[in-house]
Amino acid sequence: GAVVSQHPSRVICKSGTSVKIECRSLDFQATTMFWYRQFPKKSLMLMATSNEGSKATYEQGVEKDKFLINHASLTLSTLTVTSAHPEDSSFYICSAGQGHEAFFGQGTRLTVV
Amino acid sequence: GENVEQHPSTLSVQEGDSAVIKCTYSDSASNYFPWYKQELGKRPQLIIDIRSNVGEKKDQRIAVTLNKTAKHFSLHITETQPEDSAVYFCAASEGTGGFKTIFGAGTRLFVKA
Repeated sequence: GAVVSQHPSRVICKSGTSVKIECRSLDFQATTMFWYRQFPKKSLMLMATSNEGSKATYEQGVEKDKFLINHASLTLSTLTVTSAHPEDSSFYICSAGQGHEAFFGQGTRLTVV
Repeated sequence: GENVEQHPSTLSVQEGDSAVIKCTYSDSASNYFPWYKQELGKRPQLIIDIRSNVGEKKDQRIAVTLNKTAKHFSLHITETQPEDSAVYFCAASEGTGGFKTIFGAGTRLFVKA
């Protein structure tokens, strides 16, 4: 199947700093990518839809100024968690679709201390 | 928007028994229903999917059924094995990988040897 690569897999940052997470489709082009957040033992919650060349579409309750999404090319979307706080600590996963299937990145475990 | 309910949240079965997980969805526009298996700390992996024009689909020990009228779909795992132990998520979307996917809350399956 298609490959979606996410980087970094783990990151620890200080409270108040910003963290950028990259999501790449390695062997296909993705005009649309999705960002999810997963709390321990919980489901994947859709945060936003990343659209190549245009603004991201955020789900209700997700702060767009807090979670900046950029989809500058057909193979790369980035999620920047700005002014991170401990409550932002979570597992962030991206996905991109090809054909009938959505492929997931390996996820990024963010810990804000 | 779409809302996906999943039951049970936890399921424990004896090796060799069958496991059934049930989901309901709210948006009649949804027409693609994937099931994902997620092992601890790893990305979700698609295990089977079904489209709204099909009532049942089977792949070896795994089968899915869909009742579009009632808006519910189910995952059936037969002859369970310890390696089937994981968290399973049902999901619903309006189409293929380009459409956002809404996940159920997940079912933690334990298969006892």
